[in-house]
Amino acid sequence: EAQVTQNPRYLITVTGKKLTVTCSQNMNHEYMSWYRQDPGLGLRQIYYSMNVEVTDKGDVPEGYKVSRKEKRNFPLILESPSPNQTSLYFCASTGGRGGTQYFGPGTRLTVL
Amino acid sequence: GQQVMQIPQYQHVQEGEDFTTYCNSSTTLSNIQWYKQRPGGHPVFLIQLVKSGEVKKQKRLTFQFGEAKKNSSLHITATQTTDVGTYFCAAFTGNQFYFGTGTSLTVIP
Repeated sequence: EAQVTQNPRYLITVTGKKLTVTCSQNMNHEYMSWYRQDPGLGLRQIYYSMNVEVTDKGDVPEGYKVSRKEKRNFPLILESPSPNQTSLYFCASTGGRGGTQYFGPGTRLTVL
Repeated sequence: GQQVMQIPQYQHVQEGEDFTTYCNSSTTLSNIQWYKQRPGGHPVFLIQLVKSGEVKKQKRLTFQFGEAKKNSSLHITATQTTDVGTYFCAAFTGNQFYFGTGTSLTVIP
């Protein structure tokens, strides 16, 4: 079954404690993205990757890092989380440039 | 960066009434996608429009792409409770995706 998985699904942490949210897809897609979703703001792209070892900033990259060492995985790293990073995060995988996006189930992050 | 405006932000309708959400861009788009997100769920792809003036239908849903490729709409005929959720448009330009702010649809039985 074609899918995008994210872990963890829920996370409560404290300011400054480094965390990683994992994302994996099994569709052999080249393009992957991270989004954050906040009420009234829709989905905003944090980072995207067009292929292995190729990553670029989206609209809201401050405070986040990503890596793309292999095609299937695209982890999101928060080196020093702050309360304004409390949000719902989605990973997405895209078949073809600008094609259909397949979203993971989401990770709800709370930073205290 | 690219801005995609979407209205209305919220819409409450009686079951059986029609619903429309609109998406507008200040620049010409190469394509527009529509997604639906059920409460507590993740966005799910509905459709992609590419051609100027394109109209596509999926059962009770009608999607339009404007002649100038700067606007799009999603129209639902005779809403049902299963239509509840947030509908987003999304544009792909300059290697990035830009989402509208979404329209949250509530259907009152």
